[in-house]
Amino acid sequence: QKEVEQDPGPLSVPEGAIVSLNCTYSNSAFQYFMWYRQYSRKGPELLMYTYSSGNKEDGRFTAQVDKSSKYISLFIRDSQPSDSATYLCAMGSNTGNQFYFGTGTSLTVIP
Amino acid sequence: SAVISQKPSRDICQRGTSLTIQCQVDSQVTMMFWYRQQPGQSLTLIATANQGSEATYESGFVIDKFPISRPNLTFSTLTVSNMSPEDSSIYLCSARRGSDTEAFFGQGTRLTVV
Repeated sequence: QKEVEQDPGPLSVPEGAIVSLNCTYSNSAFQYFMWYRQYSRKGPELLMYTYSSGNKEDGRFTAQVDKSSKYISLFIRDSQPSDSATYLCAMGSNTGNQFYFGTGTSLTVIP
Repeated sequence: SAVISQKPSRDICQRGTSLTIQCQVDSQVTMMFWYRQQPGQSLTLIATANQGSEATYESGFVIDKFPISRPNLTFSTLTVSNMSPEDSSIYLCSARRGSDTEAFFGQGTRLTVV
């Protein structure tokens, strides 16, 4: 079983839609959770970083962590064509420096 | 945040040659890492670059193939040695300020071995 599971998509939505991206994980020691956005031919760009269960909001983005279910989500409200990218979840623990990444979900927002 | 500059951004190399990738961070960081990203796959950690000592390699990666240097707290290099087409991939430099902080990435080096 992989440490982190993420649906690769692709996901295609109309502009203005609410997007939900999800990851599950198996290691209960994970305490830090991140979402990255990666445009084609670019490095991953940090969107959200959280270390607790619950919701964290930043503009149109909301990160949700449910440690009891080992499930994290990223919601994008009022999606824009510029949100078209691959979204990677990542997580880590206090017991090591390594972060574990999902395979990424490819999102296309259609104007 | 940290701004990470990585170069070259891309290269096409001949089989059997070596390529050194440079990574410069705009401020001092505690940890620097090198990842490989192959199409449709997750990021795979190659090694942790340790300042002033030998890098710590993950399973499946060895120093002879991927020598790493980290002479100070802002700079690191990764060399891909004796390249083969299987080494064609995107190589990413990453940095963290501390053990409980997020990771930032460079823009990546797209390597093609022919």
